[in-house]
Amino acid sequence: DAGITQSPRHKVTETGTPVTLRCHQTENHRYMYWYRQDPGHGLRLIHYSYGVKDTDKGEVSDGYSVSRSKTEDFLLTLESATSSQTSVYFCAIREDRDAGELFFGEGSRLTVL
Amino acid sequence: RKEVEQDPGPFNVPEGATVAFNCTYSNSASQSFFWYRQDCRKEPKLLMSVYSSGNEDGRFTAQLNRASQYISLLIRDSKLSDSATYLCVVPGPGSASKIIFGSGTRLSIRP
Repeated sequence: DAGITQSPRHKVTETGTPVTLRCHQTENHRYMYWYRQDPGHGLRLIHYSYGVKDTDKGEVSDGYSVSRSKTEDFLLTLESATSSQTSVYFCAIREDRDAGELFFGEGSRLTVL
Repeated sequence: RKEVEQDPGPFNVPEGATVAFNCTYSNSASQSFFWYRQDCRKEPKLLMSVYSSGNEDGRFTAQLNRASQYISLLIRDSKLSDSATYLCVVPGPGSASKIIFGSGTRLSIRP
């Protein structure tokens, strides 16, 4: 299995509080992604990174920010969590642009009350 | 139009049946396509890549139709263990770095 871990795996928080999810990889892959998954919507891309300090928006980036200060870590931050951000968040890594396979973490389940 | 569209299903078929589903995409410049499988409450995993000439792996066949901009997945002699959600994946417009998933097709195989 690819070396990718997400933390925390489960979190319950209240509306208006900041939340940071961490994705850590040991594969030295260039590309990292954050997705959210909700019933009826499949996986939707939030943000992605194509290198240290290089990030870009995905399909549903509003309300989220990311940072990648080193190759192995990609952080997803909800500055002020809302109930609509209750979801399962998946991080994924990919070796390079021409390598198709994404390897996923096990997911982080976030509940915003 | 959504970048990637799939029939959500669910497809409910008997064991041993052949089932096929499609995925349409909007970015005509896309060069690579993939099918992922996701079991309930688990992370997605790569099932197979889709090449221009088609791709076959055992009971699974994936094909690409560039003219109509869709990819298909065919499962022959379906097994109970094939029950899962199948996700179509296409690089997004503007950048091959941006990977977009379809919403998934649920497949349920009954005994």
